[in-house]
Amino acid sequence: NAGVTQTPKFRVLKTGQSMTLLCAQDMNHEYMYWYRQDPGMGLRLIHYSVGEGTTAKGEVPDGYNVSRLKKQNFLLGLESAAPSQTSVYFCASSQRTSGSKEQYFGPGTRLTVT
Amino acid sequence: AQTVTQSQPEMSVQEAETVTLSCTYDTSESDYYLFWYKQPPSRQMILVIRQEAYKQQNATENRFSVNFQKAAKSFSLKISDSQLGDAAMYFCAYRRVINTGTASKLTFGTGTRLQVTL
Repeated sequence: NAGVTQTPKFRVLKTGQSMTLLCAQDMNHEYMYWYRQDPGMGLRLIHYSVGEGTTAKGEVPDGYNVSRLKKQNFLLGLESAAPSQTSVYFCASSQRTSGSKEQYFGPGTRLTVT
Repeated sequence: AQTVTQSQPEMSVQEAETVTLSCTYDTSESDYYLFWYKQPPSRQMILVIRQEAYKQQNATENRFSVNFQKAAKSFSLKISDSQLGDAAMYFCAYRRVINTGTASKLTFGTGTRLQVTL
């Protein structure tokens, strides 16, 4: 099992450009999440999904869109990148069943917007 | 809203010694989960230990243990016999109990950077 993978690992964008981050998991998890990590702050939830075809806003959703067309994939889109979106982005997934099931994280994508 | 506070931005410990990282949280709920995640320079988030709030017994995983004080809303991590490989950023995280059909996000603290010296 590869677990959770993210593509790309690094990206530099100019202000106003668009891009899509891809997250893929091979653990048949129902739930998937996108977080961002900024210096001096913990990870903050951008959007999440409880299943194929469903998405919901997290703590900091502005400027981002997501899609979950397939159960194993969760895409994060930036339509018009801004310098404030310079961050490290993490995808995570977890099982649907209750209990202290952990979230499994991808390796992160470092995005710089100039 | 739940909040998680890690008041120690940086800590240092000598190899083979013991160190305790602090975490406090604020919630009005009685049932929840608490986690410690480790983030080494590789950036990978690795679960270190978890605690269910309904369990009075403190969780232990090899050299890692927690001191869970529910009334004080405190959840500290103790690392015994520290090793060079323990050097990393450590994040405390809180999660509500999942209800069927909904996801429950992790609320993270700001992290503690642990240095391990020879």
